[in-house]
Amino acid sequence: GQQVMQIPQYQHVQEGEDFTTYCNSSTTLSNIQWYKQRPGGHPVFLIQLVKSGEVKKQKRLTFQFGEAKKNSSLHITATQTTDVGTYFCAGLLNTNAGKSTFGDGTTLTVKP
Amino acid sequence: DVKVTQSSRYLVKRTGEKVFLECVQDMDHENMFWYRQDPGLGLRLIYFSYDVKMKEKGDIPEGYSVSREKKERFSLILESASTNQTSMYLCASRRLQGASLGANVLTFGAGSRLTVL
Repeated sequence: GQQVMQIPQYQHVQEGEDFTTYCNSSTTLSNIQWYKQRPGGHPVFLIQLVKSGEVKKQKRLTFQFGEAKKNSSLHITATQTTDVGTYFCAGLLNTNAGKSTFGDGTTLTVKP
Repeated sequence: DVKVTQSSRYLVKRTGEKVFLECVQDMDHENMFWYRQDPGLGLRLIYFSYDVKMKEKGDIPEGYSVSREKKERFSLILESASTNQTSMYLCASRRLQGASLGANVLTFGAGSRLTVL
């Protein structure tokens, strides 16, 4: 079945350092979504990427979708303590298939 | 804002008990999902429902069943709870897929943390 691998599992950074999490799918995706889960909270939608090679930015966050639509990354520039949490990617095989497959998540901690 | 409400934030049950986890969404979403979340294992799909009275197995359906009698409500049932079902359970809903803006986006409830003793 479809698998979505996400690395690293954990990342500890000093405040102000950059952070990147990577997501790789065993199959070509229709789209990929990113969610953030704060400690003690629930996943909250951040962004959706649909086009091959797409790059989207949200302030200090940059999201990329690979040319082959099999990988994606989330990069945070100059991390802040408010960035702590677990970041999940979720890949959708095709828009009619129904279910998204989540990566295992990357948990980010930021030391002030 | 779309709201997904899970009836119980914390539950403690005994092995063998029948457990109902309820989820209600208020935005007329067609699709609803049940996930469980365990440390190091991410979000694993238990069951999902495209629409009323429809259900499909996810990746880990064993030991669970679901009910969707009304569009706004999706119930997860543990027929006979076991200790390995101790977990965080997350419900989510989504507008019917398509090309329209906002489609495909999952909105999650706050979660139900179940402990089975």
